[in-house]
Amino acid sequence: EIVLTQSPGTLSLSPGERATLSCRASQSVSSSYLAWYQQKPGQAPRLLIYGASSRATGIPDRFSGSGSGTDFTLTISRLEPEDFAVYYCQQYGSSRSPWTFGQGTKVEIK
Amino acid sequence: QVQLQESGPGLVKPSQTLSLTCTVSGGSISSGGYYWSWIRQHPGKGLEWIGYIYYSGSTYYNPSLKSRVTISVDTSKNQFSLKLSSVTAADTAVYYCARDGGYGYPHAFDIWGQGTMVTVSS
Repeated sequence: EIVLTQSPGTLSLSPGERATLSCRASQSVSSSYLAWYQQKPGQAPRLLIYGASSRATGIPDRFSGSGSGTDFTLTISRLEPEDFAVYYCQQYGSSRSPWTFGQGTKVEIK
Repeated sequence: QVQLQESGPGLVKPSQTLSLTCTVSGGSISSGGYYWSWIRQHPGKGLEWIGYIYYSGSTYYNPSLKSRVTISVDTSKNQFSLKLSSVTAADTAVYYCARDGGYGYPHAFDIWGQGTMVTVSS
């Protein structure tokens, strides 16, 4: 099973600042199958990024994804008040070792 | 617009079987092209994929839960279901049904149900 490790655990920032979230895989992940989600309290996760760098429909362009192999990054260029939430990365390995998620990074208001 | 809705008991006794159903609206499971999954989230924790089913009935389960999980589909009702046997307090979680985005969002979950909290307690 591929293990995803996200860092930092918590990111304390102010609105308008840039957020950089990391997701590191225990073995190489296909960029085609690396996704990022946002989750707010009491809500289901929302797909932000798929294929490591493609934004899902309706996602603002302040959200961007990058990376390959074992290291991936989600960047929020300028934090808006509604962006304070928990973010998860997720990968799909193969039919024999499908989906796993990182443990999450909480972006909180400083 | 496809929507998912989980339903089932919110309280299950230890050693019993947890049973949940996900109803799909705005689209047909039978149209194919998508995997339909169950995912859970322990209180205050991260996300754990449980298993998926395809409209044909083919399934795959998380190896860590495989011995206790059964996922089935009822295309006539446009529903898929989860059964988790021999539950313990460690199975207390919010359970989500979700759709793998198919060709549009390969192996990313683009649509989620709102989630249903299941507590295992006597």
